[in-house]
Amino acid sequence: QAQLEQSGAEVKKPGSSVKVSCKASGGTFSSYAISWVRQAPGQGLEWMGGIIIIFGTANYAQKFQGRVTITADESTSTAYMELTSLRSEDTAVYYCAKNDYSRSYLDLWGQGTLVTVSS
Amino acid sequence: SSELTQDPAVSVALGQTVRITCQGDSLRVYYASWYQQKPGQAPILAIYDKNKRPSGIPDRFSGSNSGNTASLTITGAQAEDEADYYCSSRDSSGNHWMFGGGTKLTVL
Repeated sequence: QAQLEQSGAEVKKPGSSVKVSCKASGGTFSSYAISWVRQAPGQGLEWMGGIIIIFGTANYAQKFQGRVTITADESTSTAYMELTSLRSEDTAVYYCAKNDYSRSYLDLWGQGTLVTVSS
Repeated sequence: SSELTQDPAVSVALGQTVRITCQGDSLRVYYASWYQQKPGQAPILAIYDKNKRPSGIPDRFSGSNSGNTASLTITGAQAEDEADYYCSSRDSSGNHWMFGGGTKLTVL
């Protein structure tokens, strides 16, 4: 069955960058769109951006424009989310989630990656 | 509007019916999807395409849509349904996604 496996927890200094990976298995990666959604402690879900794998095109929420880059490597069925200029408010669990790119629902989620930003 | 609005908290007695609502202009164009999240776990898809359930979601969960409001109904709520529920849809451009603020469901 299809799965999304994310990379492990990270601890970062303010001002640095983090890159989280999301490896897909058990499905057809090229038919996916991958979104990145974050959840700060005790808060709700926040869509950061996404990429349509077959087109290689990414879209970003305005809030994160200029600080986030979402990429994908079809050869390894892996998507990446890089967030730069980290600040304490970026401490959150980061999830990848997929939809078949013509669909409007996220039907599979990764397990989440905790990113802690602390000096 | 580029927002989805949910009530922060709702409670229901065990075995009773509860409706969780989500309002937003995008819902006039796109169906809402609903996600269930239990503490310490990733969200899972609960309802999509207005009223479809993925395998593994009990048939006591249903969805509906009217105008700018989508609803998730649990008929005969069980203790295991206690969770946070989030609605989501694409925005008016179709290229971005939005989430509601979430509704914490308590089963009494």
